[in-house]
Amino acid sequence: DTAVSQTPKYLVTQMGNDKSIKCEQNLGHDTMYWYKQDSKKFLKIMFSYNNKELIINETVPNRFSPKSPDKAHLNLHINSLELGDSAVYFCASSEAGRNEQFFGPGTRLTVL
Amino acid sequence: AQSVTQPDIHITVSEGASLELRCNYSYGATPYLFWYVQSPGQGLQLLLKYFSGDTLVQGIKGFEAEFKRSQSSFNLRKPSVHWSDAAEYFCAVGPNNDMRFGAGTRLTVKP
Repeated sequence: DTAVSQTPKYLVTQMGNDKSIKCEQNLGHDTMYWYKQDSKKFLKIMFSYNNKELIINETVPNRFSPKSPDKAHLNLHINSLELGDSAVYFCASSEAGRNEQFFGPGTRLTVL
Repeated sequence: AQSVTQPDIHITVSEGASLELRCNYSYGATPYLFWYVQSPGQGLQLLLKYFSGDTLVQGIKGFEAEFKRSQSSFNLRKPSVHWSDAAEYFCAVGPNNDMRFGAGTRLTVKP
């Protein structure tokens, strides 16, 4: 009964490659988010999606693009991976009108 | 823009001792405040939240936090720490579409 799930849990790839991380929530929430946690554990919001509309886009490179095929999914596509993209990426979701987010288990991305 | 400061990077306490983790925030209006816990290799779990009302909020796992507007603080407390509480703790200030997290406090529990 996982509420917010992410795949894969670990992703190791070479510089310059393109990769995707998938996120699914079964909570019926309206909004989904992507966060990046760097090596110092600092968490920063990257994107949020509400009803397939991008709400915010923190100053992330345009190599990163969120894609939402439906309300339950928000995938993160990363083009031309760089060493600095190595981090743990967390997906989260929330219900409309409620300021509370539920987080997925994270995806550890390592770029070699 | 809102921000969160967690002054303590790392805290060590003995099992059974009391715990207080500090959090200071900067926010223009009445803040939405949260404490999350992250166990090693895991995602973030919400411990408790404050939006309004009673300034002392109770959370899961025996944690509580007190909102003090005059001090812009939202400190997390637990009267008796268990070894399983060892984890990274994050304070955050909302709202949802612009959630800001502190740098985290790593808690080590000594036997």
